[in-house]
Amino acid sequence: TQLLEQSPQFLSIQEGENLTVYCNSSSVFSSLQWYRQEPGEGPVLLVTVVTGGEVKKLKRLTFQFGDARKDSSLHITAAQPGDTGLYLCAGRFAGGTSYGKLTFGQGTILTVHP
Amino acid sequence: DTGVSQNPRHKITKRGQNVTFRCDPISEHNRLYWYRQTLGQGPEFLTYFQNEAQLEKSRLLSDRFSAERPKGSFSTLEIQRTEQGDSAMYLCASSVSGNTEAFFGQGTRLTVV
Repeated sequence: TQLLEQSPQFLSIQEGENLTVYCNSSSVFSSLQWYRQEPGEGPVLLVTVVTGGEVKKLKRLTFQFGDARKDSSLHITAAQPGDTGLYLCAGRFAGGTSYGKLTFGQGTILTVHP
Repeated sequence: DTGVSQNPRHKITKRGQNVTFRCDPISEHNRLYWYRQTLGQGPEFLTYFQNEAQLEKSRLLSDRFSAERPKGSFSTLEIQRTEQGDSAMYLCASSVSGNTEAFFGQGTRLTVV
């Protein structure tokens, strides 16, 4: 079974603080995606990374893909209350017959207090 | 709106009843996925279609669950003889073959009482 470990599970911070969420696996990803989800809604795609060592920025969010394509991180600078939500990493594992299905981490529930 | 559409958004049913959910993917997307998500957890893969062919089913998909995509467009997910443990958010996603990005619908929240 290919597992994707996401940490931390919970983050409660004050507005203006920085934070990092991690996503790790013992298997290699062919691609990895980060989603943000609000209560009662479906996940919304934030970014896709496919190349080892890749760094992508989306305003105050910085996404990194590990050189070996086994890990990724999401860094938020100067968090705002509007960043509150469930952050999910999801990967497609290289090889096998997964037909492109996404395997999700457990998610990180982020709460940013004003 | 040209995104993934799921109906109904909410469903409350009594234990033992059958329920059916519908997913309309983005029109040019030939891959369609069903996931189940419980509160505060990441989505769990249930099944996957490429066009009308169901290519993979999770062990989570018991014999009470069946999914179809008869014309390679919309899909339905039916749960027979619902149990309280079936209460969850059921999510549908679609993508294009060879493209790594999958887009999700808003989900159907099922509550079994």
